[in-house]
Amino acid sequence: KAGVTQTPRYLIKTRGQQVTLSCSPISGHRSVSWYQQTPGQGLQFLFEYFSETQRNKGNFPGRFSGRQFSNSRSEMNVSTLELGDSALYLCASSLNRDGILAKNIQYFGAGTRLSVL
Amino acid sequence: AQSVSQHNHHVILSEAASLELGCNYSYGGTVNLFWYVQYPGQHLQLLLKYFSGDPLVKGIKGFEAEFIKSKFSFNLRKPSVQWSDTAEYFCAVRSNFGNEKLTFGTGTRLTIIP
Repeated sequence: KAGVTQTPRYLIKTRGQQVTLSCSPISGHRSVSWYQQTPGQGLQFLFEYFSETQRNKGNFPGRFSGRQFSNSRSEMNVSTLELGDSALYLCASSLNRDGILAKNIQYFGAGTRLSVL
Repeated sequence: AQSVSQHNHHVILSEAASLELGCNYSYGGTVNLFWYVQYPGQHLQLLLKYFSGDPLVKGIKGFEAEFIKSKFSFNLRKPSVQWSDTAEYFCAVRSNFGNEKLTFGTGTRLTIIP
């Protein structure tokens, strides 16, 4: 079974631009979560989607948004990029059968490394 | 709000030494606990998890962790480390209901000297 796939692997953008990152979860997984990883802040939760609905959101500005499609694939968008948005963005998927959380495990993709110049 | 503390930022050990990495969390309710590992150039992988039951859990590659509820701790141990254990280790906590949000510690970089 294929793992979590994130595209692209690397991105270089300039300040003020916007970017869209894509995540394909493991087949059959219905929950997708996004995290930002930086050397200074570590791994920070961005948001989680389940059945095309955002179920939780971390403490990030409104420039960070996401969505989930009916096939569970997810995208996250960052508008008006700032230098501080340079980070590794990780996507994780979990089975979440019937929306039940218990014993769910998140499986992570390799990430998209975003550099903002 | 949940928080996780990993007090060891960088640990250097020789091969065959024993390992213990500390993890303390802050949360008032029932939690699920995880240790993830990130090998150089690789993605985050689950080492082990605790949901309920026996507080001593065993994971892959000979790792184990003990959940001590009274101390809000979930320390990772391995009796004899190998060079291939060189990696960054993250402790994470999730509340037992609601949603999938994981709160991570800042990570411990482990370097094993051959």
